[in-house]
Amino acid sequence: DSGVTQTPKHLITATGQRVTLRCSPRSGDLSVYWYQQSLDQGLQFLIQYYNGEERAKGNILERFSAQQFPDLHSELNLSSLELGDSALYFCASSVEGVTDTQYFGPGTRLTVL
Amino acid sequence: DAKTTQPPSMDCAEGRAANLPCNHSTISGNEYVYWYRQIHSQGPQYIIHGLKNNETNEMASLIITEDRKSSTLILPHATLRDTAVYYCIGLTGGAGSYQLTFGKGTKLSVIP
Repeated sequence: DSGVTQTPKHLITATGQRVTLRCSPRSGDLSVYWYQQSLDQGLQFLIQYYNGEERAKGNILERFSAQQFPDLHSELNLSSLELGDSALYFCASSVEGVTDTQYFGPGTRLTVL
Repeated sequence: DAKTTQPPSMDCAEGRAANLPCNHSTISGNEYVYWYRQIHSQGPQYIIHGLKNNETNEMASLIITEDRKSSTLILPHATLRDTAVYYCIGLTGGAGSYQLTFGKGTKLSVIP
């Protein structure tokens, strides 16, 4: 158990819909990272937040957005969903920056039908 | 950017040492090399990281060549639970986009 929690574990929705994935970091960790893992793309970094502020951005689509709240939990919002958005979405947290050990949550499996 | 190259797959007999190689010829002098693993579809798990010197922890050992162009992760006594995809990772990006870039990794199969 990494100490990082993600909800929900599974999500099934239809194309064009919007969903929100939630992540609670380990106690004391200030950074949260979001990753997408699909079969053909591997694990792709999406975005990092540090203490409520966006710190780094990867290949995150404009239809996707994230935020980190004052209690440090984070949400990833995915809108106008397409079939290709079906993937595992992982959240990770670290004490501060990207050079610190990242602890990953169990992931949310999103299926878009 | 630290681009890494790993063999796509390896087998190891249970109880033997598993030696997983990684080439990272583009890594710069102050960049760490990180190793993570992913068991089936679980979240990746940190194993070890190093800069210049060899490192050891309760999970594994990391041997980094003197020129830092390659490294080897050693699992001293592989068990069936070590079957996983192992990622050798460097930092990529620049200001505002620093990230760990996970490649395809090495799928290690530990065989009874």
